[in-house]
Amino acid sequence: QKEVEQDPGPLSVPEGAIVSLNCTYSNSAFQYFMWYRQYSRKGPELLMYTYSSGNKEDGRFTAQVDKSSKYISLFIRDSQPSDSATYLCAMIPDTGRRALTFGSGTRLQVQP
Amino acid sequence: EAGVAQSPRYKIIEKRQSVAFWCNPISGHATLYWYQQILGQGPKLLIQFQNNGVVDDSQLPKDRFSAERLKGVDSTLKIQPAKLEDSAVYLCASSLWTGKGSGNTIYFGEGSWLTVV
Repeated sequence: QKEVEQDPGPLSVPEGAIVSLNCTYSNSAFQYFMWYRQYSRKGPELLMYTYSSGNKEDGRFTAQVDKSSKYISLFIRDSQPSDSATYLCAMIPDTGRRALTFGSGTRLQVQP
Repeated sequence: EAGVAQSPRYKIIEKRQSVAFWCNPISGHATLYWYQQILGQGPKLLIQFQNNGVVDDSQLPKDRFSAERLKGVDSTLKIQPAKLEDSAVYLCASSLWTGKGSGNTIYFGEGSWLTVV
């Protein structure tokens, strides 16, 4: 079993839709949770960063962490064609080496 | 602020040949990472440096991969000899983390795309 599970998609939605992206994880030591956006032929770009449980909002993006369920989500409101990319969830434990463990990524296509 | 710089961006080599990738992290970042991302998968950590010391290289295939970070700044990742399954993008990343406390934000470069034929 992978430490971080993520539905690979692809997910296709019409412009303006609300998008929900999710990851589950098995390692209870994870405390820092990130979402990265990766456009084709580009490196991952940090989108959202959350510590422990709770919600964080930044413009059209909302990140949620539920540590009791080991489940994290990213919501995109009013999705735009420019949001078309692969979204990677990633996490870091609170102790030991501070390296990211990634999900496999969900490919999102927003249709104009 | 300049980001993480990587070169070359693209490389095509034949199997059994060697290749080297170079990374220059964000200025002042103590921790440097090399990740391998195979098409359709998430990045997988190969090696983590803190300054010029290795923190974790447990997933580095040491029979063919090597990496160094001399003087705690730039880093090179070498593959010799390359195999077909090494075709991937090699991502360098850096963070402020010094071994304790925060500084967990990790920034990635654009990647070096390797095709082994």
